[in-house]
Amino acid sequence: LAKTTQPISMDSYEGQEVNITCSHNNIATNDYITWYQQFPSQGPRFIIQGYKTKVTNEVASLFIPADRKSSTLSLPRVSLSDTAVYYCLVGGAGGATNKLIFGTGTLLAVQP
Amino acid sequence: DTAVSQTPKYLVTQMGNDKSIKCEQNLGHDTMYWYKQDSKKFLKIMFSYNNKELIINETVPNRFSPKSPDKAHLNLHINSLELGDSAVYFCASSQVSMRGGEQFFGPGTRLTVL
Repeated sequence: LAKTTQPISMDSYEGQEVNITCSHNNIATNDYITWYQQFPSQGPRFIIQGYKTKVTNEVASLFIPADRKSSTLSLPRVSLSDTAVYYCLVGGAGGATNKLIFGTGTLLAVQP
Repeated sequence: DTAVSQTPKYLVTQMGNDKSIKCEQNLGHDTMYWYKQDSKKFLKIMFSYNNKELIINETVPNRFSPKSPDKAHLNLHINSLELGDSAVYFCASSQVSMRGGEQFFGPGTRLTVL
């Protein structure tokens, strides 16, 4: 059974860059990698999505190595409001494999 | 403007009862999902519908039955509720189903079974 694992928690200080890694050894050819942010008592919120190499948007970067068995979410210059749980999601609905597997989640605590 | 809404927000009920959770999206998306988040915060896909057609049906008890009357709605009906069904249930929608797309999540429904 495919497993998608992340560190349970990470600590950081305001203004630092934070890198959160997700391991997905059984990723399939048509699977994409998506990252979400979740605050307490809210639904997850989309951050970024990629398939390979590097993707960047206004809030984060996503690094995916050639073998695609892991991915790293990079948050530049975090602030207190970035304290949340971050999930990676691996999958692609469609074709022979319809699956969407969330990682175990990483609680990021940003301190002043 | 609420993008993905769920009702009710909280649901407390006795074991053995039947209950429904409703979900509506006003984003014009063609794919909708139901997820379960347990007490350890693990998120797991339960069902996915694309244009009212079931495309993902994970191994969940058949006491759980999704119903999609139209593209904008995906309701979740649960029969004979059990203690282990207590969790937060999230509805989501996306425009692109082939890769999960950018999913928009509802606020969640916290179900407590006594």
